[in-house]
Amino acid sequence: QQPVQSPQAVILREGEDAVINCSSSKALYSVHWYRQKHGEAPVFLMILLKGGEQKGHEKISASFNEKKQQSSLYLTASQLSYSGTYFCGTEKGRSGGGADGLTFGKGTHLIIQP
Amino acid sequence: DAGVIQSPRHEVTEMGQEVTLRCKPISGHNSLFWYRQTMMRGLELLIYFNNNVPIDDSGMPEDRFSAKMPNASFSTLKIQPSEPRDSAVYFCASRSNVGRYSNQPQHFGDGTRLSIL
Repeated sequence: QQPVQSPQAVILREGEDAVINCSSSKALYSVHWYRQKHGEAPVFLMILLKGGEQKGHEKISASFNEKKQQSSLYLTASQLSYSGTYFCGTEKGRSGGGADGLTFGKGTHLIIQP
Repeated sequence: DAGVIQSPRHEVTEMGQEVTLRCKPISGHNSLFWYRQTMMRGLELLIYFNNNVPIDDSGMPEDRFSAKMPNASFSTLKIQPSEPRDSAVYFCASRSNVGRYSNQPQHFGDGTRLSIL
């Protein structure tokens, strides 16, 4: 099942903060966050592994609540370069080991205005 | 280091023609994924390989679609015959997978923009 992302779209002024949420109905091993700009490939931001881990990347951080099967991406003091579509990709993990494919949400469109 | 390389970048062809998309993963990566992106359906996983072996092809839409990975450095996605509804951007991604579970990211190629007329 596809994870559900919210909100669908956000418009911010430069310097404002944003939170993007991702929730799944299935137990997850990990959550991956990507940003995609128009006409380009998705670019990896971070992986959250089960265990309630919180990771940071510049002014972008994320958390993963394994019990609730939810992840949130936090963008602090947003910059113009943060504009794009943000996707969460969820991974169930394979019992036999080995990489699993990602199931992506529909994305959150983020527009940063000067 | 070279990233994931896909070819062609753009393909325009007529309905009924055979289409072959190509992907060269990052050297040393042992997992390869094919995704399709459309406005309606978003980014969908089609098939993936671990160590050149297809693991899950449940995302392949129809028998018209097939994928192969003859060696660690090359994979193809073929559509025969192609239909207008196959028009999409097709991405290939690769990942380094060591051990039971991997915390490594998937790296995406630039994609092939396919238009079927």
